Amino acid sequence: DAGVIQSPRHEVTEMGQEVTLRCKPISGHNSLFWYRQTMMRGLELLIYFNNNVPIDDSGMPEDRFSAKMPNASFSTLKIQPSEPRDSAVYFCASSLRRPGNTIYFGEGSWLTVV
Amino acid sequence: DQQVKQNSPSLSVQEGRISILNCDYTNSMFDYFLWYKKYPAEGPTFLISISSIKDKNEDGRFTVFLNKSAKHLSLHIVPSQPGDSAVYFCAASSGRAGAQKLVFGQGTRLTINP
Repeated sequence: DAGVIQSPRHEVTEMGQEVTLRCKPISGHNSLFWYRQTMMRGLELLIYFNNNVPIDDSGMPEDRFSAKMPNASFSTLKIQPSEPRDSAVYFCASSLRRPGNTIYFGEGSWLTVV
Repeated sequence: DQQVKQNSPSLSVQEGRISILNCDYTNSMFDYFLWYKKYPAEGPTFLISISSIKDKNEDGRFTVFLNKSAKHLSLHIVPSQPGDSAVYFCAASSGRAGAQKLVFGQGTRLTINP
């Protein structure tokens, strides 16, 4: 069984550039999450979708961040323009939408903005 | 406003001894708690969970204890093994139907010494 697939695994970009992170959830899962991990704040939920609909985007730090889920098997997280403080590991995760269900994480996209 | 706190950034334990990782939470609406384990360059993986109707859940070498009155949970690993060296994240959610917003702590890096 394929897990959550994220791309790119590593991205180094210059400040001001647009960054797009991609995610393919586990087939059959109907909830998708974007998390960000930093040393200072640990794992923070940025946004999550149920059945491709954004439910809670209160964790999205600024208008520079946007996320889409055009279909059940694909999601993107875009940062435009990127800033050095956006450097972090971005995780996508998915689950079946049931209380208490396990959330499965991808391996993360390591973003460095210089 | 950190709703889930892991106050120990790191812990070092001798192989074969017990590892105890602690987690505190502030939101009394949380009723489902999880521990995730993360190796370097990988995504977090689910380890064990507990519902607020219980005070203990055991799975092999791993036991999670929940003290609702103190808003505290702990993960016990016994005996500790070198492969347990990882970062451990505590997470919590409120269990309303469909609510899956996991709030994570900052993580504790566990090192098991041979």
